Amino acid sequence: DAGVTQSPTHLIKTRGQHVTLRCSPISGHKSVSWYQQVLGQGPQFIFQYYEKEERGRGNFPDRFSARQFPNYSSELNVNALLLGDSALYLCASSLVGTNEQFFGPGTRLTVL
Amino acid sequence: GQNIDQPTEMTATEGAIVQINCTYQTSGFNGLFWYQQHAGEAPTFLSYNVLDGLEEKGRFSSFLSRSKGYSYLLLKELQMKDSASYLCAVYSGNTPLVFGKGTRLSVIA
Repeated sequence: DAGVTQSPTHLIKTRGQHVTLRCSPISGHKSVSWYQQVLGQGPQFIFQYYEKEERGRGNFPDRFSARQFPNYSSELNVNALLLGDSALYLCASSLVGTNEQFFGPGTRLTVL
Repeated sequence: GQNIDQPTEMTATEGAIVQINCTYQTSGFNGLFWYQQHAGEAPTFLSYNVLDGLEEKGRFSSFLSRSKGYSYLLLKELQMKDSASYLCAVYSGNTPLVFGKGTRLSVIA
């Protein structure tokens, strides 16, 4: 079975641009969560979606938004990029009602 | 607030045993996870504790004391490939997972 997949693997953007990151969960998983991991830190929760609705939101500015599609895949959008947005963005999927999160390989975003 | 503390770095010798501690203060508690993360890669699941006590899985064991807000990950018979960051994460029920900053373990010959 395929695990969580994310695209792109790497991305370089400049300040002020916007970016869209994509995630496909494990088949059968309806919950998707997004995390930001800055170098040397643990992942920080950004959003959780299931059944296409936002179920949780971390302490991130409104420049960050996300959505979930009918096939349970998800997109994370970040507008007006800042240098501090440079990080590894991780997507994790889980079965609704369970706690274990399965992580994708991440998207490495570099903002210049 | 949510606070999870673990040591920043540890070094241990190949073949030895190492214990990585984690203390937490969260607004709720529904379980504690340990993840392994090699540099540049995604975290991979190691263990999950929801009740007090020791969970053993091969060379890895994890312990939880809910009354003390304390957990540890025990790695036995260390191998060079165990060099990685180890992340303690709490599921509080309010957000999917709250992570500590991770402990970078270096295994030396």
